[in-house]
Amino acid sequence: DGGITQSPKYLFRKEGQNVTLSCEQNLNHDAMYWYRQDPGQGLRLIYYSQIVNDFQKGDIAEGYSVSREKKESFPLTVTSAQKNPTAFYLCASSNWGPGSNQPQHFGDGTRLSIL
Amino acid sequence: AQKITQTQPGMFVQEKEAVTLDCTYDTSDPSYGLFWYKQPSSGEMIFLIYQGSYDQQNATEGRYSLNFQKARKSANLVISASQLGDSAMYFCAMRDTDTGGFKTIFGAGTRLFVKA
Repeated sequence: DGGITQSPKYLFRKEGQNVTLSCEQNLNHDAMYWYRQDPGQGLRLIYYSQIVNDFQKGDIAEGYSVSREKKESFPLTVTSAQKNPTAFYLCASSNWGPGSNQPQHFGDGTRLSIL
Repeated sequence: AQKITQTQPGMFVQEKEAVTLDCTYDTSDPSYGLFWYKQPSSGEMIFLIYQGSYDQQNATEGRYSLNFQKARKSANLVISASQLGDSAMYFCAMRDTDTGGFKTIFGAGTRLFVKA
């Protein structure tokens, strides 16, 4: 079955450590996204990528980095510069374009906590 | 700039009854689409239903339907015959045409509690 796989499900970060969250999709979607969700809150866009080797900052990109070397993969690195990384991280993908009626497809998320 | 507003932080409904979750939006683009997603406590986001601005009829998907009032810029989600499994967060969203449709704008969400 096609879908999006995020790993790990739970992740713990030590102070000053960089950690990488994995996101893989086999839906053949061009666009991929990373969102952060804090408890009881909505989704905030961190980064998005419209195509391989290209990505743009979202609304809260500081302290995060991404790469898009393959269509299927869009890993997110939470750097030590992100002082409050504890949150739920969701990866998504979609077909894109204005007027598109295609929804975003989401992974199951990664819960990141500070040790 | 486009905006999605969900004014109900939480809603309660008795099992088997219908419930309406409110969503208003703001856009100057005549062509747009609205999405509803469900997020259970496990965290995954599940797409429920889509309404295009030029669709002639209100969208329906099983027990989900949209009360789309274009002039009022509202797209309320109606869940009929509520089930205990409907307890979740619900998000209204739309494509951000200011960025060519690549980004999606989400509302703050409404938490629905279904009582037995």
